[in-house]
Amino acid sequence: EDQVTQSPEALRLQEGESSSLNCSYTVSGLRGLFWYRQDPGKGPEFLFTLYSAGEEKEKERLKATLTKKESFLHITAPKPEDSATYLCAVQASDYKLSFGAGTTVTVRA
Amino acid sequence: EAGVAQSPRYKIIEKRQSVAFWCNPISGHATLYWYQQILGQGPKLLIQFQNNGVVDDSQLPKDRFSAERLKGVDSTLKIQPAKLEDSAVYLCASSPGTEAFFGQGTRLTVV
Repeated sequence: EDQVTQSPEALRLQEGESSSLNCSYTVSGLRGLFWYRQDPGKGPEFLFTLYSAGEEKEKERLKATLTKKESFLHITAPKPEDSATYLCAVQASDYKLSFGAGTTVTVRA
Repeated sequence: EAGVAQSPRYKIIEKRQSVAFWCNPISGHATLYWYQQILGQGPKLLIQFQNNGVVDDSQLPKDRFSAERLKGVDSTLKIQPAKLEDSAVYLCASSPGTEAFFGQGTRLTVV
């Protein structure tokens, strides 16, 4: 069974304090690893797709990286508007999409 | 491009009543997912459709939940009868094959 584990569960940062979120996974036939952002009361918003080990994607203050066993989401110099829950998901060879429990990030001004 | 549409946004029902949720995916997306998200947890897959065929429904409580996808486009998810533990947000997502795009969800409260 595909498994996705995210850590830490919660992260409190001061504005400008960079940090990383971890997503470790086991999946049969990885088609892709996805990062999403979810704000309270809303559906997950797509951020990145990573397909193979060594791949990196960047968007504003966010950078996602992938190895054969885990992915990291680096937040550089975060701002209060980066506060959200960040979800990691893996897509298996049968297109099944499995999510982790998420990391809730709070950035204080 | 229009996103995934879901309705209703909110629903409050009494236990043992029935409820239905509707999803209109992004045009042309072959894959459609229904997820259940309990407060503080990640989304849990209930059912996955490829066009109008079921690919995975292993985590769907089939004694009370049912879903269908009409003509490979719109989908409905039904709960009958509802239990207190069904209180959650029900998310619909569609995908052209890789990344999935989500609707705003339906928040169900069972009292």
